[in-house]
Amino acid sequence: EIVLTQSPGTLSLSPGERATLSCRASQSVSSSYLAWYQQKPGQAPRLLIYGASSRATGIPDRFSGSGSGTDFTLTISRLEPEDFAVYYCQQYGSSPQTFGQGTRLEIK
Amino acid sequence: QLQLQESGPGLVKPSETLSLTCTVSGGSISSSSYYWGWIRQPPGKGLEWIGSIYYSGSTYYNPSLKSRVTISVDTSKNQFSLKLSSVTAADTAVYYCARHPERSWFDPWGQGTLVTVSS
Repeated sequence: EIVLTQSPGTLSLSPGERATLSCRASQSVSSSYLAWYQQKPGQAPRLLIYGASSRATGIPDRFSGSGSGTDFTLTISRLEPEDFAVYYCQQYGSSPQTFGQGTRLEIK
Repeated sequence: QLQLQESGPGLVKPSETLSLTCTVSGGSISSSSYYWGWIRQPPGKGLEWIGSIYYSGSTYYNPSLKSRVTISVDTSKNQFSLKLSSVTAADTAVYYCARHPERSWFDPWGQGTLVTVSS
């Protein structure tokens, strides 16, 4: 099973700043089969990025994904108030598909 | 617009079987392009994939839960269901259903339903 480790655990930033979230895999994720989700309190996760770098339908272009192999990054170029939430990465290249433990993005 | 809705008891006793149903609306569960999955999230914790099913009935499960999980589909009702046997307090979680391409990302998700295991 591939273990995904997200860092930092909590990221404190202000609106307008740039956020960089990391997801590191215990072994290579085949074909960059990695997704990112946003989850707000009391809500289901929302797909942001799939295939490591493809934005899902309706996702603003301030969200971008990059990386390959074992190291992946979600970048939010300029934080909006609605972006403060928990973010999860998921690998689906190897069964069982697994999720990271999450990064909490909070307002500084 | 495709929507998924979980339903089932919110409280289950230890050692009993948890049963949930996901109803799909705005689209057909018999779509040849998608699988239908269950994911859970213990309170304050991360996400765990439980298993998935194709409309034909083909299933695949997380090995960590495989011995206790059964997922089934009812295409006539546009629903799929989860049964998790011999539950303990560790199975207390919000359970989500979601659609996904084969071995792929999950989108969309249902709103989730909290199931508490307690006597």
